[in-house]
Amino acid sequence: DTAVSQTPKYLVTQMGNDKSIKCEQNLGHDTMYWYKQDSKKFLKIMFSYNNKELIINETVPNRFSPKSPDKAHLNLHINSLELGDSAVYFCASSPPGTPVKTQYFGPGTRLLVL
Amino acid sequence: AQSVTQLGSHVSVSEGALVLLRCNYSSSVPPYLFWYVQYPNQGLQLLLKYTSAATLVKGINGFEAEFKKSETSFHLTKPSAHMSDAAEYFCAVSGGTGGFKTIFGAGTRLFVKA
Repeated sequence: DTAVSQTPKYLVTQMGNDKSIKCEQNLGHDTMYWYKQDSKKFLKIMFSYNNKELIINETVPNRFSPKSPDKAHLNLHINSLELGDSAVYFCASSPPGTPVKTQYFGPGTRLLVL
Repeated sequence: AQSVTQLGSHVSVSEGALVLLRCNYSSSVPPYLFWYVQYPNQGLQLLLKYTSAATLVKGINGFEAEFKKSETSFHLTKPSAHMSDAAEYFCAVSGGTGGFKTIFGAGTRLFVKA
């Protein structure tokens, strides 16, 4: 009965590779997010989708491309991985019908680029 | 633009002592304010939130926070620290001109000494 799940949990890859991280929520939420947390624990929003539409697109390299096939899924594809992409990536979701956007986080995907 | 500042990247208390984690916000309109906790190798989870209903907000695990508009603060407290409270704590602000976007503080790491 996992609420927000991410796969994989760990990802170790070489520079220049392309990788994807998947996120799914079974909470019935209509807004989903991707965050990047660096080694100093700083949490920065990357993207947000509401009902499959992109609503937040922060200053993120074009190598990062989110895709939302439906309201319950938000995937993140990263092209040409760089050393600086090493971080923990969190998916989150929030419920509809309220301006108070409490966020429900997944367990994170720890990406290490070698 | 909204922002949030957490004073002190590290706070250390003895078990049984008062916990005080400081958060100041900046917002042109009354905001929604949150405290999240992150245990090691986990995602963030909501501790409590302020939505303008009451200035003193009680959360899970014995934590509470008080919204003080005159001081633009939303400090988190717990009367008696427990070893299990050791974690990273994030203050966050959303709503108003920020819309869907939630801005997180840099985090405060709480250490609890036996």
